[in-house]
Amino acid sequence: TQLLEQSPQFLSIQEGENLTVYCNSSSVFSSLQWYRQEPGEGPVLLVTVVTGGEVKKLKRLTFQFGDARKDSSLHITAAQPGDTGLYLCARRGDNFNKFYFGSGTKLNVKP
Amino acid sequence: NAGVTQTPKFRVLKTGQSMTLLCAQDMNHEYMYWYRQDPGMGLRLIHYSVGEGTTAKGEVPDGYNVSRLKKQNFLLGLESAAPSQTSVYFCASSRGPSGNTIYFGEGSWLTVV
Repeated sequence: TQLLEQSPQFLSIQEGENLTVYCNSSSVFSSLQWYRQEPGEGPVLLVTVVTGGEVKKLKRLTFQFGDARKDSSLHITAAQPGDTGLYLCARRGDNFNKFYFGSGTKLNVKP
Repeated sequence: NAGVTQTPKFRVLKTGQSMTLLCAQDMNHEYMYWYRQDPGMGLRLIHYSVGEGTTAKGEVPDGYNVSRLKKQNFLLGLESAAPSQTSVYFCASSRGPSGNTIYFGEGSWLTVV
């Protein structure tokens, strides 16, 4: 199936804390994207990971693609209130015509 | 840069009314999508198009119709709105099979009473 499961569903932390959110699937996928969506806006792409075991860093955000290409994680170091938002993972469908999204992790970083 | 533009941004409909959501993109993208987003359900694909004049069903197409008469526009229609269609609707576009990035509009908030 194309199902992507994200955890946790909600996360509320204090500024300066570290956190990790997860995206898991029962099937292998060729690539995976992470998006961030702020309230009242559409999702915006953060990163695409393609190779099993790949690690990409975007400032304080570290993205990892599992060796088996069935899971991914996003780690945020020293979270800031500006990191607040909904984090979504997404993958292409097998026929490359569709994108499927997880239900997201809603992050709230309190000052 | 406009990117993906959706209109209207907010709308309240009565049950049984019809309406059309308009989406325009200025990036010359081949692929366009309509998603709906509901709490705890994530983004679910309603319909999509892989080029001008083509449309296809997504995960939740019932109650919706679409048209792609021009490459830059993708219209989503509700023929007879139902309260279950209360949602936030997002239009998106991407370059094509080789493009991994989807660009989203800002969303259209639809309430059906």
